[in-house]
Amino acid sequence: GQQLNQSPQSMFIQEGEDVSMNCTSSSIFNTWLWYKQDPGEGPVLLIALYKAGELTSNGRLTAQFGITRKDSFLNISASIPSDVGIYFCAGGDNNAGNMLTFGGGTRLMVKP
Amino acid sequence: DGGITQSPKYLFRKEGQNVTLSCEQNLNHDAMYWYRQDPGQGLRLIYYSQIVNDFQKGDIAEGYSVSREKKESFPLTVTSAQKNPTAFYLCASSIDSNSYEQYFGPGTRLTVT
Repeated sequence: GQQLNQSPQSMFIQEGEDVSMNCTSSSIFNTWLWYKQDPGEGPVLLIALYKAGELTSNGRLTAQFGITRKDSFLNISASIPSDVGIYFCAGGDNNAGNMLTFGGGTRLMVKP
Repeated sequence: DGGITQSPKYLFRKEGQNVTLSCEQNLNHDAMYWYRQDPGQGLRLIYYSQIVNDFQKGDIAEGYSVSREKKESFPLTVTSAQKNPTAFYLCASSIDSNSYEQYFGPGTRLTVT
């Protein structure tokens, strides 16, 4: 099946720093989504991207749909302690019945 | 409040027993999904249902079964045939099968000993 490589696997940053993470694939996706998962909870949808090159913001979060349609990036500005969690990217492919393929996640830790 | 509920939050079973995990949604969504998450890993699709009375196998369906008798409900049974059932199970729903935006429940952590 399709594979999504998400990097970095983990990050330990100081409060107030900006964060960047990305997701890459060998296959093209029609949609990219970014989720955040708190420990022991279900993932929460942060941003959905539908068009190559699209740049979308949600508060301090900004995500981009790569021009090649094989990658996506998530940036968090001015991190705060509640940003701690695991961030997952997911690619949607209408050739696969609109199913989502998930990356392995980026674990973010923020030092106050 | 609209949302997805999963119960129980924690479930313990002895090896060899079947166990059913509940998933209910009041979002009026047509499509529902079950995922499995293992420590430090992403989500893998077990089963999905695009409409009532219909469901399809996902990537790791072996040892699992589902039913979709009502739009609101999509229970997952972990059978004794599942070789490594201990995991975190997540249920999700989307408006319909054309939508990529899936919304997740809080999950059920199943431990089998």
